[in-house]
Amino acid sequence: DTGVSQDPRHKITKRGQNVTFRCDPISEHNRLYWYRQTLGQGPEFLTYFQNEAQLEKSRLLSDRFSAERPKGSFSTLEIQRTEQGDSAMYLCASSLGVSEKLFFGSGTQLSVL
Amino acid sequence: DQQVKQNSPSLSVQEGRISILNCDYTNSMFDYFLWYKKYPAEGPTFLISISSIKDKNEDGRFTVFLNKSAKHLSLHIVPSQPGDSAVYFCAASPVTSGTYKYIFGTGTRLKVLA
Repeated sequence: DTGVSQDPRHKITKRGQNVTFRCDPISEHNRLYWYRQTLGQGPEFLTYFQNEAQLEKSRLLSDRFSAERPKGSFSTLEIQRTEQGDSAMYLCASSLGVSEKLFFGSGTQLSVL
Repeated sequence: DQQVKQNSPSLSVQEGRISILNCDYTNSMFDYFLWYKKYPAEGPTFLISISSIKDKNEDGRFTVFLNKSAKHLSLHIVPSQPGDSAVYFCAASPVTSGTYKYIFGTGTRLKVLA
């Protein structure tokens, strides 16, 4: 499978714990995006990378959130001190250059108890 | 303030008939629009796109229409098939800093009845 892969698919955690998600984009894609989707809403932009550089962060990305793409390939999204409001589907997408077409992974469903 | 609105949360259509999904936007800076389809437990899948310099784009059974003066776009699926049953999101982006930062609508759940 050469699509965007995300791990884990599901994560259940207790409030206050830290969680980390991983995204492996399509191999030749140099742009990588993180989105968050809550129930009944569309995906909301969080941040994006071009290669290893994080070029933009949404105001939705509080200080508890950090994303990295250390070698310009896979990316991680860490949430520290999780809150119940962080419960959502976290989606990763990638694109080749300045392409309008984003390819999404299946997402990581986070539940904070 | 929602910049991209899909006012119909759900739509049911008979197999073989036309499905029309609507989307309105408020930001006149948007110049690229996409439709994505999403099945349960999967990520959104790209369906069709249109740039603001066009008013129509077709791809097989799918056609997207853009009315810039009304800030409205629609997706037509003809003929509708049961496999088209999914949630459809429209998304819009300005092209700023050489990237697309899409704002998504809340989705319309399409059910195609056999």
